[in-house]
Amino acid sequence: EIVLTQSPGTLSLSPGERATLSCRASQRVSSSYLAWYQQKPGQAPRLLIYGASSRATGIPDRFSGSGSGTDFILTISRLEPEDFAVYYCQQYGNSPFTFGPGTKVDIK
Amino acid sequence: EVQLVESGGGLVQPGGSLRLSCAASGFTFSSFAMIWVRQAPGKGLEWVSTITGSGGSTYYADSVKGRFTISRDNSKNTLYLQMNSLRAEDTAVYYCAKAPNRYGDYVDYWGQGTLVTVSS
Repeated sequence: EIVLTQSPGTLSLSPGERATLSCRASQRVSSSYLAWYQQKPGQAPRLLIYGASSRATGIPDRFSGSGSGTDFILTISRLEPEDFAVYYCQQYGNSPFTFGPGTKVDIK
Repeated sequence: EVQLVESGGGLVQPGGSLRLSCAASGFTFSSFAMIWVRQAPGKGLEWVSTITGSGGSTYYADSVKGRFTISRDNSKNTLYLQMNSLRAEDTAVYYCAKAPNRYGDYVDYWGQGTLVTVSS
């Protein structure tokens, strides 16, 4: 099973700042099959990024994904008030298709 | 518009059974794999199971293997999750989710979830 570790656990930033979230896999994620999701309290998650770097439909270009192998990054270039949420990475290259524990981005 | 509506959640005793349903609309159901993901109260996301578009292949998390069964009825555009031998640690919101292709991969659409509580 591929174990995903996300860091930091919590990121405290102000609107307008840049957010950099890390997702590290315990073994290589095949074909960069790595997705990122955003979840706000009381809501279902929303797909942001798939294939490590492809933005999902309707996702603003301030969200970008990068990385390959075992190290992946989600960057939010300038935080908007609606971006404060929990972010999860997921690998879907090997079953079981595991999620990371999440990074909470909160307002400083 | 893709819509996924879960039903069947509720309170069940440990060792009991429950069947979740997910009614899908807004897309050609049989062309896409479907997924169940759960989230325990205050915790993160856990992938539970995937079924391919034809229903011919299924995949399970180790934590539910042998107890849960995923299935689908493509004539009714409905996904199911039969949950047996339920444990307290199965308490969670269960999300029905759609994959972007017939094989699986990630989730591109999510339902709003149904809460399953396992308690005596």
